[in-house]
Amino acid sequence: DVQLLESGGDLVQPGGSLRLSCAASGFPFDNYRLGWVRQAPGRGLEWLSAISVTFGSGSTYYGASVTGRFTISRDNSKNTLYLHMNSLTVEDTAVYFCARYGPGGYFYLDLWGRGTLLTVSS
Amino acid sequence: QSALTQPASVSGSPGQSITISCSGSSSDVGAYNHVSWYQQHPDKAPKLILYDVNKRPSGVSNRFSGSKSGKTASLTISGLRAEDEADYFCGSYADSTSLNLFGSGTTVTVL
Repeated sequence: DVQLLESGGDLVQPGGSLRLSCAASGFPFDNYRLGWVRQAPGRGLEWLSAISVTFGSGSTYYGASVTGRFTISRDNSKNTLYLHMNSLTVEDTAVYFCARYGPGGYFYLDLWGRGTLLTVSS
Repeated sequence: QSALTQPASVSGSPGQSITISCSGSSSDVGAYNHVSWYQQHPDKAPKLILYDVNKRPSGVSNRFSGSKSGKTASLTISGLRAEDEADYFCGSYADSTSLNLFGSGTTVTVL
């Protein structure tokens, strides 16, 4: 099956750090741009970050709310996407989805994982 | 950049058509024909139902259609069915740094 599966969500104290992972299967992972989107409880979707096909090429992108705190990366040998999160605040509490961009650019997300829950609380 | 604006809720009876609007700006919806729509059932992952304003991915019902005029995009669901009851989000390409914006979401209720 073509799928994305997130993991790593947890309960973290404010100021803490966490790394989320997203394992891909069923498609050629290194052919696709990927991204992270989150959804706070009862809220809409918020785009967070995206990464080009080849990590290290300099093509990573971040939303304003996470720039300088979150880092996206990928390991094409493991078919895995990561999101490293630092300086977490209660406002980061959300379900975090990894998603795959459709062909041609960073225009739309055609495959989503089921999400992993991050709770930031003391 | 602010989230795209959608109505909080829209409802309709089975068989009817409903339309959900998505208002943006001249920097996102108004600038690019890269508007997408996502359907999300409770506690499920979002599912792409339209991209590039009016294109349907394989397997998506032709009851879903899209359009755009200026800075506002629209999703129309025709022949409303019980299974269409879900949250719907619009998305737009924004620019080469912010990349993507999403709407605030619309809850569709089938009466």
